[in-house]
Parts: sequence; structure tokens; C-alpha cells
Amino acid sequence: QLQLQESGPGLVKPSETLSLTCTVSGGSISRSSDYWVWIRQPPGKGLEWIGSIHYSGSTYYNPSLNSRVTISVDTSKKQFSLKLRSVTATDTAAYYCAGLRGVPIAFIEFWGQGTLVTVSS
Amino acid sequence: DVQMTQSPSSLSASVGDRVTITCRASQSISTYLNWYQQKPGKAPKLLIYAASSLQSGVPSRFSGRGSGTDFTLTITNLQPEDFGIYYCQQTYSSPRCTFGQGTKLDIK
Repeated sequence: QLQLQESGPGLVKPSETLSLTCTVSGGSISRSSDYWVWIRQPPGKGLEWIGSIHYSGSTYYNPSLNSRVTISVDTSKKQFSLKLRSVTATDTAAYYCAGLRGVPIAFIEFWGQGTLVTVSS
Repeated sequence: DVQMTQSPSSLSASVGDRVTITCRASQSISTYLNWYQQKPGKAPKLLIYAASSLQSGVPSRFSGRGSGTDFTLTITNLQPEDFGIYYCQQTYSSPRCTFGQGTKLDIK
């Protein structure tokens, strides 16, 4: 059973960089058909896809965040990471890491529990 | 970008009722459509994938239909534990994806 766990600071100051890491256990991070994703949810609002990464390092970002986002992967540690630069209060949200898998139709079966990140001075 | 629109935004129903939630895509996405249920403070849970395939362990009262641009999630014989927020998700543009805005289901 695949498990994902987010880690990182729960409080970030405005204009700084939000950094989170997701650790994958119970399975491989290097399956060719899998992508690893970050999704966020502001308090009381819906789900927003942030971006996806393949174990090879290929990345895909939400155009609305593209200029501020970097997602990276470390296969040796079975981790992938999110960096969101120049944060403001509107970036306050629960951040989820997840596995996007399934061929030909992808879906998310496994999610991390989510971590709340508050942007405040 | 493929936009997803759900309706209604919220609804209230009684135990035993049949409930239908609709999701519409801004372009044809074949059957690249998934449904999730989210409870407060929890990660979403996969219910239906590929428009109509029931995820293992999900009760058979949940069902999905549709292809192209119009999709439905139906819950028959509504149970108290079915309250929550339901989201559709398109993965036609995978590994990119987009979610509907959610439908909040309250149990009367």
C-alpha cells in the first residue's frame, strides 16, 4: 500500500519561499507510468492542481503558478519537493502530495494527509 | 486548459434518497473523468475513475456515467456517512489535471 507524507514548515512569511517535501513509502517512486503531484486547497475552498513531476525529472505546472513554482524529485530518497516563491496570504492552504497513476486514464488513489501552510508575518 | 463545472454547488438530501451531481467539461475529455469525496480535514477519497469504474472498496450505491463533456455521479439509497464535498477531476490533459469547484452534500 503506497503511503505519502508531507513535511515542512507550517508558517511562512510573506515574500518568502514555501518549501515542502513528500516522502513516498510502500512502493516505487520510479514507475514509468506514475506522476507525482502537488495539490492545494485554501481554507473553505476547492482543490487546485499545482504541478506534476515524473521520476525522470519532467515537470508540468499550473500556468497560474508557473512563474513561482519549482517541483523536484530525489529518487534515492523516494521524495519529491515543492518550492513556491514570493508567497502571499492567498497561498495559505492545505497542501497535498499525491500519486497520479493509471493507464490509460490516470487518477489519484493515494494522497498524503495534507499539511496546512499559513502565510503570515 | 480544460475547465470543469459542477452543479449544484450544494444540496441537502435525506437518508434513502437518490442524489445526482453533474460535471461538465469545457471540451470533450472522452471518459478521462474521476470523482472524489472529501470529508472535513481529510484528503479526498477516490470513488469513481474513468467516468464509470467503481474504485475497490467503494459501496455500490455510488455510480458514474458520461463521456465527452457531460458526466454524472449518482448516489442511491443515501446514507448518513455520505455527507461531504464531491469533486470531479479531468485527467484528459494528464499529467496536468483540473478539478470541478465541488458540490457540498448535506444530509437532512
